[in-house]
Amino acid sequence: KQEVTQIPAALSVPEGENLVLNCSFTDSAIYNLQWFRQDPGKGLTSLLLIQSSQREQTSGRLNASLDKSSGRSTLYIAASQPGDSATYLCAVGDSGNTPLVFGKGTRLSVIA
Amino acid sequence: GAVVSQHPSRVICKSGTSVKIECRSLDFQATTMFWYRQFPKKSLMLMATSNEGSKATYEQGVEKDKFLINHASLTLSTLTVTSAHPEDSSFYICSARGFLHNEQFFGPGTRLTVL
Repeated sequence: KQEVTQIPAALSVPEGENLVLNCSFTDSAIYNLQWFRQDPGKGLTSLLLIQSSQREQTSGRLNASLDKSSGRSTLYIAASQPGDSATYLCAVGDSGNTPLVFGKGTRLSVIA
Repeated sequence: GAVVSQHPSRVICKSGTSVKIECRSLDFQATTMFWYRQFPKKSLMLMATSNEGSKATYEQGVEKDKFLINHASLTLSTLTVTSAHPEDSSFYICSARGFLHNEQFFGPGTRLTVL
């Protein structure tokens, strides 16, 4: 059974700092991995999708890497801003219709 | 990215009434939609997987007679909370899986409060 772990559970950094969020999964036979952001009381916003054949994806100040063989992904946020404060969720999926398996998230606070 | 809408965004109802929540994929077709609920400061909890034209698959512990799911088209799934009680108060979120890359997109959520 796939399990996804995110470390740390919470993180507080000063504005401008570069930071890394970690995600690990137990079964390397994944089809893709998604990083999401959730603001309090809101739905999830898809940030980046990495296919199993890819090593990384970039969008603006965000960069997500995937090491499928070791079961790890990282989300790198450059030059953090207070607006980046949110919960970041990592989820892995297969090629069928089974649901994504989520980690518990990392709650990020960027202090101005 | 693709857009998933939910309606209503917020609903308050009396105990014993039924509430219907709609989930629509606005600019893509989704054969599979998922329904989640989330308690304050907790993780998403998958309730059911909904496939267009077939019965939903419910997770263990979720009452299928209480949470009725209908997925009548490739762009619409509905969740009806029947005979709602205060313990059903929660944040309900749907998601839709697109054909391209199997990427999953989430709706903005519906806040249900049962008095």
